[in-house]
Amino acid sequence: DVQLAESGGGLVKPGGSLRLSCAASGFTFRNHAMSWVRQAPGKGLERVSSISGSGTNTYYGDSVKGRLTISRDNSKNTLYLLMNSLTTEDTAVYFCAKSLHHDPPDVFDFWGQGTMVTVSS
Amino acid sequence: SYVVTQSPSLSVAPGQTATITCGENNIGSKSVHWYQQKPGQAPVLVIYYDNDRPSGIPERFSGSNSGNTATLTISRVGAGDEADYYCQVWDGSSDRVVFGGGTKLTVL
Repeated sequence: DVQLAESGGGLVKPGGSLRLSCAASGFTFRNHAMSWVRQAPGKGLERVSSISGSGTNTYYGDSVKGRLTISRDNSKNTLYLLMNSLTTEDTAVYFCAKSLHHDPPDVFDFWGQGTMVTVSS
Repeated sequence: SYVVTQSPSLSVAPGQTATITCGENNIGSKSVHWYQQKPGQAPVLVIYYDNDRPSGIPERFSGSNSGNTATLTISRVGAGDEADYYCQVWDGSSDRVVFGGGTKLTVL
């Protein structure tokens, strides 16, 4: 069975940094694009960033460009999101999501349970 | 940038049909995907590429997409279908993923 397990969330002060991880199992990780999708409390879904199966292509939402960096280690079946210069607007549950194809990350067929990031002083 | 519009809420009696729409100019030229999200849970893909169902999703869920409107139809609605439903497209011209604002389905 496909499993995605996020970790690394927590409470961080404005301007701080955090690194999220997503451990994947149950499928051939390198064959699938992966993404981070967030959901602020009581709000809708927002794709934050995506990366192709090989890691060659990366994609970012306008609200996070220059502050967040997505990466993956296909030898460890793990997806990462490095988050810098965090603001209160980044407070959300961050979901790791698997795509059907290597690239583009056009549809998400499986989601992890999410990790909460709270940015507050 | 590309924006897709959903009605915020819909109420349906048990056993009836729920029709949830996602609108944007010429959305029929793009592929639309639909997700169901219950409170406190991760989203679940229920329809992809306009009208395909992932394994495990009941046949009661179907989709269509033409012109300026994509539609998710849930027939014989039950209490277990109460959830938020999001449409999503991939805008290939900008390499962006766009989600609709979500529709809250209430089963009366």
